[in-house]
This record gives sequence, C-alpha cells and structure tokens, in this order.
Amino acid sequence: DIQMTQSPSSLSSSVGDRVTVTCQASGDISDNLNWYRQKPGKAPEVLIYDASNLEMGVPSRFSGSGFGTHFTFTISSLQADDIATYYCQQYDSLPYTFGPGTKVEIK
Amino acid sequence: QVQLQQWGAGLLKPSETLSLTCGFSGRSFSGYYWTWIRQTPGKGLEWIGDINHSGSTNYNPSLKSRVTMSIDTPKNQFSLKLTSVTAADTAVYFCARLHGGDSTKYDYWGQGTQVTVSS
Repeated sequence: DIQMTQSPSSLSSSVGDRVTVTCQASGDISDNLNWYRQKPGKAPEVLIYDASNLEMGVPSRFSGSGFGTHFTFTISSLQADDIATYYCQQYDSLPYTFGPGTKVEIK
Repeated sequence: QVQLQQWGAGLLKPSETLSLTCGFSGRSFSGYYWTWIRQTPGKGLEWIGDINHSGSTNYNPSLKSRVTMSIDTPKNQFSLKLTSVTAADTAVYFCARLHGGDSTKYDYWGQGTQVTVSS
C-alpha cells in the first residue's frame, strides 16, 4: 500500500496569512493526488485534483503543486471559513489511501 | 443536482453484520465507481472498496474477507455488507462517487452514517 504522511498535523494562523501543508507519498504516485477539506460533522469535499487542478467552484486562494512523492497545498490568504481539516489522497494504486489530515485553526 | 443519501443500522453488537445502502439521484449511474470509505479518530479515512454499474468490485485487502458490495442499477442504489464486526469497525461510514476519466476524484459524498459496535 502507498502510505501518505502530512505535516504539520495542525496549525494555527491569522486571517490573511499564507498557509502551506505538505504531503509525502511512500512511493512515486506521479500527479495522482487530490486534496480534500472536511468541516466538522460533514463529508470531505474535493478542492484540488490531479495535484494542481482547482475543482470547479472552489476559491482561487486554494492551490496545489507537486509530483512524484512530494506535494504541497497552499491557502494564499486564510479566511475564517477555512477552519477545517485538510487531507491528501492518492489514487495511483489500490487501495487508495488518505493522509492523516492537517487541522487548520484561526489564531 | 447529484445527491447521495445513505442509510442503515447505526448500532450493532459484536459478530453481527453491518449493512448500509446508498442511493444516488442524478443523471447517470454508469461510468463511475461507487465507493465506501470509513473514518475513525484513530485510523483516519480508510478506503473500504468500490463497485461499478456492472458489478465489478475492488476491495481493501485489509477488509476483503469480510466485505461484500452490491449494486441495484434500476434503483440507483449500492450497498455494503461487513460481516463479523468488532469494536474496531466503529466508525463513520461514507458513500461516495469516484469520478474517473481525465480527473479521478471523489466528487460527491453521502452525509455519513455513524456505526457503533458495542455489546
């Protein structure tokens, strides 16, 4: 199985700050990676697919990059509504696996 | 408007069988993989498996011996059965649609069902 790790596990930043989350895969997954946001009590929702493509309707302050084993997710200007846990997920090989999540809070 | 609505028993005793169903409303049931994912505080999000409209399945090897997925295309529903449950199967279970083709992603999710296994 491809193991996914994320860092940090949690962060606290101010509104307007740039926030970056990293995701590492245990093997080469090309760009077969998605990023999801999950708000408390809700299902995850896709924000970024294929490592760097913004899902339709998602604000442009969200972005992703990376290839192979190392990936980055960025919120260019943190908003209060961005309080959530963010997960990376690989779909390069079965079983599809998720990272452990990064909890984002407002300082 | 695509929607996934899931239902099933939320409280089970050890050794019983978990049974959940997910209904899809939208334009097309075919061309996608219909997925079950569960979430626990300890293990996070775990892919259980998926099934397509013709009944072809993929299961997580860690659960394969206990999992059965089925699909009822005329009713636009798919189901999950997990046998011999233990406390370790306590989780929130989600159904989701895997959008394939040129962008592989879980684009629609059910609302989640809390399943608790307790004697």
